[in-house]
Amino acid sequence: DGGITQSPKYLFRKEGQNVTLSCEQNLNHDAMYWYRQDPGQGLRLIYYSQIVNDFQKGDIAEGYSVSREKKESFPLTVTSAQKNPTAFYLCASNTDLGQGGYGYTFGSGTRLTVV
Amino acid sequence: RKEVEQDPGPFNVPEGATVAFNCTYSNSASQSFFWYRQDCRKEPKLLMSVYSSGNEDGRFTAQLNRASQYISLLIRDSKLSDSATYLCVVINAGNNRKLIWGLGTSLAVNP
Repeated sequence: DGGITQSPKYLFRKEGQNVTLSCEQNLNHDAMYWYRQDPGQGLRLIYYSQIVNDFQKGDIAEGYSVSREKKESFPLTVTSAQKNPTAFYLCASNTDLGQGGYGYTFGSGTRLTVV
Repeated sequence: RKEVEQDPGPFNVPEGATVAFNCTYSNSASQSFFWYRQDCRKEPKLLMSVYSSGNEDGRFTAQLNRASQYISLLIRDSKLSDSATYLCVVINAGNNRKLIWGLGTSLAVNP
């Protein structure tokens, strides 16, 4: 079945370390997104990519980096510059359903905790 | 003012009740609207798109009022399994299909 796979499901990071969250999709979607969700803050866009080898900053890109070398993959690196990285991270991809609708698919998320 | 605003709730209703959520958006150029459902510690899942003429999917009805810039979600005959957070989502014209999320409305359906 087609979908988005995020790994790992839970991740623990020591302060000062970089960690990379994986996101892979086999939906043949062009666009991919990374969101962060904190309690009481809703989903906030970190980075997005419309095509391979191109990506744009979202609303809270500081302390994060991404790459899009393959259509299927959009890994997110949480760097030591991110001051408060503990959160639930969601990867999504989308295609245009036509009729003005946009079909987004989400991965099951990675819960990152700084210890 | 947030671009998309929702009453956070929680809404506590008995099984079988009818419950309605509203969501207001600030950008008059918004062009696409959705309701997502998110269960605790899970990813959001699309519940339904919202069309200008209103649309229904089983017990769920979505309405759009462009003049007043709000969308609504009506749930009839609530089930225990409807307990979740309901997220209002908007896409603005020319914005590369980026979703703008409300903070969500929490619903608890009680036996």
